[in-house]
Amino acid sequence: KAGVTQTPRYLIKTRGQQVTLSCSPISGHRSVSWYQQTPGQGLQFLFEYFSETQRNKGNFPGRFSGRQFSNSRSEMNVSTLELGDSALYLCASSILQETQYFGPGTRLLVL
Amino acid sequence: SQQGEEDPQALSIQEGENATMNCSYKTSINNLQWYRQNSGRGLVHLILIRSNEREKHSGRLRVTLDTSKKSSSLLITASRAADTASYFCATGLDYKLTFGKGTLLTVNP
Repeated sequence: KAGVTQTPRYLIKTRGQQVTLSCSPISGHRSVSWYQQTPGQGLQFLFEYFSETQRNKGNFPGRFSGRQFSNSRSEMNVSTLELGDSALYLCASSILQETQYFGPGTRLLVL
Repeated sequence: SQQGEEDPQALSIQEGENATMNCSYKTSINNLQWYRQNSGRGLVHLILIRSNEREKHSGRLRVTLDTSKKSSSLLITASRAADTASYFCATGLDYKLTFGKGTLLTVNP
């Protein structure tokens, strides 16, 4: 089975721009979660989707949003980028929302 | 906010030695998981222990969970250079994982 894929792998944006990251879960997995990893704050939960419904959301501003499609693929969007949004964004998929399988991440640099 | 706190923050050992990492957490959990991350790449799931379990083994890994003390430990036996990585504990509840800041393990050949 193919693993979780994330595109793009690397991204450079400037402040004020917006960005959309994509995640394709493992086939058959209906739960998709997103995490932000920074050296200062570590790994922080952004949101979780199951069957196109957001079931939980982390403590991030409204500039961070996401969605899930009927094929379980998910996207997250960050609008009005700030320098502090530079991070590794990780997507994970799971069957029962227990063991999570992570993708390689998208490394975002905001200049 | 971080739920788990790993201890120590960094650990350096020789190949063949055992490595023990500890994790403490603050609130109720459904399960506790350990993940490994190599150099800023994606996380790899190592082992999951449910809140009603006390100990679990997987290959060279042994995990314990003490819910009364809200703590867990991960033991890696007979460590190898390839075990060099960051190790994170994560608590699961309400459809999300809350991670600690991790332990950086260096295994010297």
